[in-house]
Amino acid sequence: EPEVTQTPSHQVTQMGQEVILRCVPISNHLYFYWYRQILGQKVEFLVSFYNNEISEKSEIFDDQFSVERPDGSNFTLKIRSTKLEDSAMYFCASKSRDKDNSPLHFGNGTRLTVT
Amino acid sequence: AQSVTQLGSHVSVSEGALVLLRCNYSSSVPPYLFWYVQYPNQGLQLLLKYTTGATLVKGINGFEAEFKKSETSFHLTKPSAHMSDAAEYFCAVSAAGFQKLVFGTGTRLLVSP
Repeated sequence: EPEVTQTPSHQVTQMGQEVILRCVPISNHLYFYWYRQILGQKVEFLVSFYNNEISEKSEIFDDQFSVERPDGSNFTLKIRSTKLEDSAMYFCASKSRDKDNSPLHFGNGTRLTVT
Repeated sequence: AQSVTQLGSHVSVSEGALVLLRCNYSSSVPPYLFWYVQYPNQGLQLLLKYTTGATLVKGINGFEAEFKKSETSFHLTKPSAHMSDAAEYFCAVSAAGFQKLVFGTGTRLLVSP
């Protein structure tokens, strides 16, 4: 079964550094999402992306965050200047357009640790 | 706006016992409801979903959930727990298929021999 692939599985970075988290969604999917889960807390929506633009974003997704689909396969989340509180598990998800009720497919996540 | 409340951050059961994980939702429009499971160091895997139609939905690994509009609930059940069911379970709601999922805080299921 096709999978959403995320790399790296674990990223350690120093405060103030830029990080790029990478995702390869399922190939025929058209809707893309980033979620994050701070340790011990709920999974939170960050941003959704469709037709090469952001369709919705949460208040968490401030100017430090950006998303891009640089080619036909990758979907990236960039954090420009990381803060300690950005430490979390970041999940990418994708969804097909075939049916309204088809579910989101999640990747295994990237654990970001900001020191 | 949508929201989900999961009662109980931890639920402990014995192997073979009934599993009941509670989820109540709030939605201003007819909801789409989901249960996801997260095993340690893994991503979120869909267990089951309710969108329209039959209110009792069956998912993978013997789990099922019933949508009760009058109670705004979507509780997850399994008749007999296995050790392999130990994981974190998340209930989620969306307003429609393409809109964002709003997750509950999760319930960790512990299964003892």
